[in-house]
Amino acid sequence: NAGVTQTPKFRVLKTGQSMTLLCAQDMNHEYMYWYRQDPGMGLRLIHYSVGEGTTAKGEVPDGYNVSRLKKQNFLLGLESAAPSQTSVYFCASSPRTGGTGELFFGEGSRLTVL
Amino acid sequence: QKEVEQDPGPLSVPEGAIVSLNCTYSNSAFQYFMWYRQYSRKGPELLMYTYSSGNKEDGRFTAQVDKSSKYISLFIRDSQPSDSATYLCAISGRSQGNLIFGKGTKLSVKP
Repeated sequence: NAGVTQTPKFRVLKTGQSMTLLCAQDMNHEYMYWYRQDPGMGLRLIHYSVGEGTTAKGEVPDGYNVSRLKKQNFLLGLESAAPSQTSVYFCASSPRTGGTGELFFGEGSRLTVL
Repeated sequence: QKEVEQDPGPLSVPEGAIVSLNCTYSNSAFQYFMWYRQYSRKGPELLMYTYSSGNKEDGRFTAQVDKSSKYISLFIRDSQPSDSATYLCAISGRSQGNLIFGKGTKLSVKP
């Protein structure tokens, strides 16, 4: 049972480089989310999607872009990486949003920007 | 004032102890309350879910919501070393709203 799969699991970038994190879910969930987790800051929502072809901004969207071309995939892009984007990134999916929908998380992608 | 406040700990207890983890929140409109558990270098996973006020029990775990005080708690009885993890509270104001997470409390249960 794959659930939510994130690739890559680790990445080191130089300032100004670009990269894309891929999230794939095999549970046919409508909702998908990208969070970042930093020490002392908890989980913060970057962007989310309520269905194929739709995206919306979360709490900390600046410096990131997302796309949901296929229902099972949610991509997070960094166009010009900055050291402040060093973090652990988690993707999650849910059959519903809000309190009645359990979030299923991937194992995280650790990004370091030098 | 942040919407959800959670003491980050760390909290260290001996095996068998009763653990109490807590969060406070500011908006009385919140109705859905969850606890997620996150092991080191893993993603969070849902542990308990409650709607509105009251208690909910699942084995050694009890989730409690006091809406009058805007206070939510997770109790772990007979704590085990395998309970060592970070516990995050999460709340939502409505069925179609995004979850708001606390910062998490890191718990260590010593054998």
